[in-house]
Amino acid sequence: DSGVTQTPKHLITATGQRVTLRCSPRSGDLSVYWYQQSLDQGLQFLIQYYNGEERAKGNILERFSAQQFPDLHSELNLSSLELGDSALYFCASSVAPDRNNSPLHFGNGTRLTVT
Amino acid sequence: AQSVAQPEDQVNVAEGNPLTVKCTYSVSGNPYLFWYVQYPNRGLQFLLKYITGDNLVKGSYGFEAEFNKSQTSFHLKKPSALVSDSALYFCAVPRSHASGGSYIPTFGRGTSLIVHP
Repeated sequence: DSGVTQTPKHLITATGQRVTLRCSPRSGDLSVYWYQQSLDQGLQFLIQYYNGEERAKGNILERFSAQQFPDLHSELNLSSLELGDSALYFCASSVAPDRNNSPLHFGNGTRLTVT
Repeated sequence: AQSVAQPEDQVNVAEGNPLTVKCTYSVSGNPYLFWYVQYPNRGLQFLLKYITGDNLVKGSYGFEAEFNKSQTSFHLKKPSALVSDSALYFCAVPRSHASGGSYIPTFGRGTSLIVHP
């Protein structure tokens, strides 16, 4: 068990809708990362937060947004959903983002299906 | 830019035989390299990392990885494969992000390891 909790495990929704994915990091970890995993794109970095502040942005669409709350949990909001947004969304956490030798701890992901 | 490549989409090996999952890297300076494993319907799990020092790094579940600077490779190995080792394996390198001073792990495309009984 990585200690990272993601909810829900599965989401099925229609095109044009909006969903929220939730993540609780491992105890003691201050940094949260969001990744998207799909068959054609592999594992793509979306966005990172550290202690409530955005620290790095990757290939995140403008329709997507995220935040990290004072209790360190994070939410990823996906809006105006398209079929191509169907993927597995992972949250990961680490102690600090400025250490390049720290491994990430991943949750089990949220599988999003857009119909 | 820091990157890794996994040249094989799939590796097949018989149970009991040695296994190798390949990774090559393109890194400026001294590389920090990682291996992760993803079992079905689960998130990625950290296996091992190379920081500096010994070229042979030992990790979880009996896995090890060999760092080779001249070949810019960091191949994952195990002397005797188990059926339960069947999973998706990812090589990763931290990439410095322009803003905020963060290091963002960048992953290879992944290699599916299938161990046959």
